[in-house]
Amino acid sequence: DIVMTQSPDSLAVSLGERATINCKSSQSVLSNSNNNNYLAWYQQRPGQPPKLLLYWASTRESGVPDRFSGSGSGTDFTLTISSLQAEDVAVYYCQQYHTSPWTFGQGTKVEVK
Amino acid sequence: EVHLVESGGGLVQPGGSLRLSCAASGFTFSSYWMHWVRQVPGKGLVWVSHINTVGSTTTYADSVKGRFTISRDNTKNTLFLEMNSLRPEDTALYYCAREGMPTIDSWGQGTLVTVSS
Repeated sequence: DIVMTQSPDSLAVSLGERATINCKSSQSVLSNSNNNNYLAWYQQRPGQPPKLLLYWASTRESGVPDRFSGSGSGTDFTLTISSLQAEDVAVYYCQQYHTSPWTFGQGTKVEVK
Repeated sequence: EVHLVESGGGLVQPGGSLRLSCAASGFTFSSYWMHWVRQVPGKGLVWVSHINTVGSTTTYADSVKGRFTISRDNTKNTLFLEMNSLRPEDTALYYCAREGMPTIDSWGQGTLVTVSS
């Protein structure tokens, strides 16, 4: 199975400041056939199910604010929240859908400093 | 609007069985692969199983293989998870999820399964 490792486990950021979350996969999730990275990011607010933010590592889901952005390729990826808002307090997960079984990172908890 | 509503969770003794259901609405259910994902409260997300549009292809996590069975009824827009030989480590919130393009894009609220004597 592909192991997804996120860092840090938690971070506290002031409102309006940047938050950066890293995700590393134990194997490449880049497809040779279409040059896409099979990597998604989800946001899970307290008491809620996960919500898809980004797929193909950097494509925003419809309705997701543009302060959320993704980058990276192969095995190393980053989710950036450019200007943290109060409603962004949540746990964020990366997920690979390159190889079955699909696997998630352990999550990164984002709080307001 | 996509709507997924899970039911069937509850308290069961080790070795027991449960059948989870997921009622889907707001989209053409028969056109989408569907998944079950579980989450121990306060912990991370773990993929459990998926099924193709017609129910002919199913895949399971190693931890549940041989004990859980995923199925669907496209005439009733419903997804199922039959869980047998339940273990305490199966205790979790079970989410029904839709696979859009290219990955899971919609989730239900979940149904809680507790395996305990």
